Amino acid sequence: EIVMTQSPATLSVSPGERATLSCRASQSLGSNLAWYQQKPGQAPRLLIYGASTRATGIPARFSGSGSGTEFTLTISSLQSEDFAVYYCQQYNNWPPSLTFGGGTKVEIK
Amino acid sequence: QVQLQESGPGLVKPSGTLSLTCAVSGGSISSNNWWSWVRQPPGKGLEWIGEIYHSGSTNYNPSLKSRVTISVDKSKNQFSLKLSSVTAADTAVYFCARKPMGATIASWGQGTLVTVSS
Repeated sequence: EIVMTQSPATLSVSPGERATLSCRASQSLGSNLAWYQQKPGQAPRLLIYGASTRATGIPARFSGSGSGTEFTLTISSLQSEDFAVYYCQQYNNWPPSLTFGGGTKVEIK
Repeated sequence: QVQLQESGPGLVKPSGTLSLTCAVSGGSISSNNWWSWVRQPPGKGLEWIGEIYHSGSTNYNPSLKSRVTISVDKSKNQFSLKLSSVTAADTAVYFCARKPMGATIASWGQGTLVTVSS
């Protein structure tokens, strides 16, 4: 089973600042890594797939990078609506399964 | 645009079976997608449960495989989840989701809270 580890667990950032979130996989994923945003009481929303491709309608301030076992989600200038929990997810080991990281909460500093 | 809507009992007794249905609208369940279930215990992270293709092929999370059954009803354009022998640890928000072939989960239902309690 592939284990996904996200860091930090919580990131305190001021609006307008840059946020950098990390995700590490226990095995190489190639580029089969996605990022999701989840706000309280809502379903997750796909932000990035293929490690670096933005999903439809996702603003350019969100960018993904990395390959293999190390991945990064960068939010270039945090807006008020970006404060949320972010999950990485691998889909390289499919089938049989998909696995998510534990999440990084981005909170207002 | 495909929309997903979960439905089912919000309360299940311990040792019972959790049953949920996901209605697919705005598209056909026979399209080139895998149809997934994901859950999220209160205040915790996401756990993939499993998925089904319209042909009936399934994939399950190995940690839940012995208790999970996912089925599809093409006539009703919906798919379903059954989780047996539930305990309080199965209390969670359950999401249904769409996963295009060759890609990852692209869209989600709003989720439904299922509580396991006597």
